[in-house]
Amino acid sequence: GAGVSQSPSNKVTEKGKDVELRCDPISGHTALYWYRQRLGQGLEFLIYFQGNSAPDKSGLPSDRFSAERTGESVSTLTIQRTQQEDSAVYLCASSYLVFGTGELFFGEGSRLTVL
Amino acid sequence: AQSVTQLDSHVSVSEGTPVLLRCNYSSSYSPSLFWYVQHPNKGLQLLLKYTSAATLVKGINGFEAEFKKSETSFHLTKPSAHMSDAAEYFCVVRTSGGGADGLTFGKGTHLIIQP
Repeated sequence: GAGVSQSPSNKVTEKGKDVELRCDPISGHTALYWYRQRLGQGLEFLIYFQGNSAPDKSGLPSDRFSAERTGESVSTLTIQRTQQEDSAVYLCASSYLVFGTGELFFGEGSRLTVL
Repeated sequence: AQSVTQLDSHVSVSEGTPVLLRCNYSSSYSPSLFWYVQHPNKGLQLLLKYTSAATLVKGINGFEAEFKKSETSFHLTKPSAHMSDAAEYFCVVRTSGGGADGLTFGKGTHLIIQP
């Protein structure tokens, strides 16, 4: 596609529910990244994919968070048993080169609000 | 290990006056450096990047940055601020490999433009 697409753009859920956030990267981009951005804060790294594998999951805050990528394309970030502190914007980015110097291309984010 | 320090969390300038957003980095390897801009409720957009070519890099919307290895700096400048420049700016350093795929984000600088 023309850019990185994320859905839903906004999600309001009740505490304890599970949510899935989707990211469609730019076609042909081998690397895909998830970041979390709390209100008024910087970016917090969550996980990145090289193809369909995740070499670095160190940023996932707890075992309630998981992510997968299939077909070296779409990625889904799943948050189980959501808590109020999970409220944030979740940003996805993709990049053509892994272990390279290429820039990241960002989606517009999925805003999650946990009531 | 590498790090990025954006020296000012907030910068306020008057419309039509110069803009200076400061960024210092540390890296054991020759890095690539990027500046991204984030307008309210939007994703991050690449302003410019340095990847070991010319040390003075020109970007979009009249912004430029100079890579100074001796000072480990990559400050962002613009000769004349416009109201539309009001946004959050992130300095990013990238090296090949390492955690988070070699990417480290600064905490951001909020640019305020006074009329």
